[in-house]
Amino acid sequence: GAVVSQHPSRVICKSGTSVKIECRSLDFQATTMFWYRQFPKQSLMLMATSNEGSKATYEQGVEKDKFLINHASLTLSTLTVTSAHPEDSSFYICSASLGLGGYEQYFGPGTRLTVT
Amino acid sequence: AQSVTQLGSHVSVSEGALVLLRCNYSSSVPPYLFWYVQYPNQGLQLLLKYTTGATLVKGINGFEAEFKKSETSFHLTKPSAHMSDAAEYFCAVTGSNQGGKLIFGQGTELSVKP
Repeated sequence: GAVVSQHPSRVICKSGTSVKIECRSLDFQATTMFWYRQFPKQSLMLMATSNEGSKATYEQGVEKDKFLINHASLTLSTLTVTSAHPEDSSFYICSASLGLGGYEQYFGPGTRLTVT
Repeated sequence: AQSVTQLGSHVSVSEGALVLLRCNYSSSVPPYLFWYVQYPNQGLQLLLKYTTGATLVKGINGFEAEFKKSETSFHLTKPSAHMSDAAEYFCAVTGSNQGGKLIFGQGTELSVKP
């Protein structure tokens, strides 16, 4: 149980284009989803928290107009990197929480974004 | 405010030896503590968690951790390392005032020598 998928697993795009990453909770309804960015050999950096039907809450320093997050349903959240640049190349990971007080998050497998 | 410190960015053990990965936390509210494992180019997998109750928690793959409030620690152990345990391990903390957000440590890379 508690499986989270991400699509695509890898994507290469040209500078200036936009890329959408999907995060789905497959066997549970996620009240809250989180988006992280991870640089090589580093820990996870929380980008934003999203609740279904609400605007995402972005962490300080994260550009909300560049990283658009939509949480359309209890099983789907999307992250769109707009006008991507090479410095946006990274490993993006989503997670989902049941929100029942257990607080654990279930993580997707991650998406490797490369901007050329 | 909450924070997590993992002592040692890299730990190397021999196969069959004890694994000890250290985690210390600070929290202004009762903490909920987690250990996650990450294999290369993959997401994180929950190993174990402490919320309330028994301070010694057992997780998957033979790992366990003990919550020690007096030492503000939540160290991860495994009696006998396997080659398949080689991975990155993250300790994380949250609390009732964090809106579900996890605060992660810097991570510890575990290497297992044959």
